Amino acid sequence: DTAVSQTPKYLVTQMGNDKSIKCEQNLGHDTMYWYKQDSKKFLKIMFSYNNKELIINETVPNRFSPKSPDKAHLNLHINSLELGDSAVYFCGSGAGANVLTFGAGSRLTVL
Amino acid sequence: EDQVTQSPEALRLQEGESSSLNCSYTVSGLRGLFWYRQDPGKGPEFLFTLYSAGEEKEKERLKATLTKKESFLHITAPKPEDSATYLCAVRETSGSRLTFGEGTQLTVNP
Repeated sequence: DTAVSQTPKYLVTQMGNDKSIKCEQNLGHDTMYWYKQDSKKFLKIMFSYNNKELIINETVPNRFSPKSPDKAHLNLHINSLELGDSAVYFCGSGAGANVLTFGAGSRLTVL
Repeated sequence: EDQVTQSPEALRLQEGESSSLNCSYTVSGLRGLFWYRQDPGKGPEFLFTLYSAGEEKEKERLKATLTKKESFLHITAPKPEDSATYLCAVRETSGSRLTFGEGTQLTVNP
């Protein structure tokens, strides 16, 4: 039973399109995250939600909009995709100071 | 701002050749230092958490240590299956986020 699951695993799309990535966790954690991993493997935080409330919003273009319908789900919608948005996006969940558990990632390729 | 620097960027070892990976960090107050392993095409997988200077944790061929400025991941007699990218991250006392370093890509040749 997957703890943090993301869909889809791969997205290939054209510049200017809109796409969404969904994330669900069954660990009962209160906090969920979106991280972006670039081609150099650097993981950088984008957003964090705690009990459906946005608590971290890094300097991310407002084309990126997270939505948390409940504390087990955190989705990421991206408008007007650009070439530079190509990356692997990881969803994670955690509780307080505990370990952050990651999903398998969603590889986005913008052509 | 939290900073995490890992070295080397890449490391090639022969099977059985022990070595260490370094993670230097700067935080206002450390709530925890985390080591993760990441295999190609997969998400980071948790290895260890260290909370205070002097603490050590071990798992199979891996041993993580912590000082006030850096952490080491010692790999003893590595095997090819230890090949992966090893990521270090810190969590400061005032927040919940993890700030990651850029990772060390380890390759162990048979």
